[in-house]
Amino acid sequence: DTVLTQSPALAVSPGERVTISCRASESVSTLMHWYQQKPGQQPKLLIYLASNLESGVPARFSGSGSGTDFTLTIDPVEADDTATYYCQQSWNDPRTFGGGTKLELK
Amino acid sequence: QVQLQQSGAELTKPGSSVKISCKASGYTFTSYDISWIKQRPGQALEWIGAINPGSGGTGYNEKFKGKATLTVDKSSSTAFMQLSSLTPEDTAVYYCAREQLRFDYWGQGVMVTVSS
Repeated sequence: DTVLTQSPALAVSPGERVTISCRASESVSTLMHWYQQKPGQQPKLLIYLASNLESGVPARFSGSGSGTDFTLTIDPVEADDTATYYCQQSWNDPRTFGGGTKLELK
Repeated sequence: QVQLQQSGAELTKPGSSVKISCKASGYTFTSYDISWIKQRPGQALEWIGAINPGSGGTGYNEKFKGKATLTVDKSSSTAFMQLSSLTPEDTAVYYCAREQLRFDYWGQGVMVTVSS
């Protein structure tokens, strides 16, 4: 299975820029997607195909990368962005998710 | 608007089976795959498998073969997942999601608790 590795947690101040990384154990081309999950809620799609902003998602969110290294950027971070962020690949079966990065605001 | 409405929470005993549902609305049900995803308390997400509502064709994560069975009822635009031989390790929230390479719409999740 394709393993996706994320840093477990980050803490930033409102107004700052934050980058969340996701490294794949093998190439996934650009079939990488990012989700935001708040406690007690279902995940929400933010970025698809590495760099495409999902409709309705603020332009503060952006994504980049290809192959094995991907990044989700939030700039500027707002208080409402407190959540866990997951990457997910759909290039190789089974589809797999990263372990999640918990973003906390200082 | 696209909606995936899942059935209610389940409390079941070890060794039993449970069938949960996911009713789709706001789009053509047969045009998109439906995937099922497991999330244990405080844990990450795991893809269980997917079904093509048009053909009924399925694909499973090897880890969940024999555990999960995916079906659909086209007449009611509803997808189902049956989980069998339940153990405490199956205690989790189970989500359905519409898939087009990515999971763009999610159900609200169903909490399945396996306890004697």
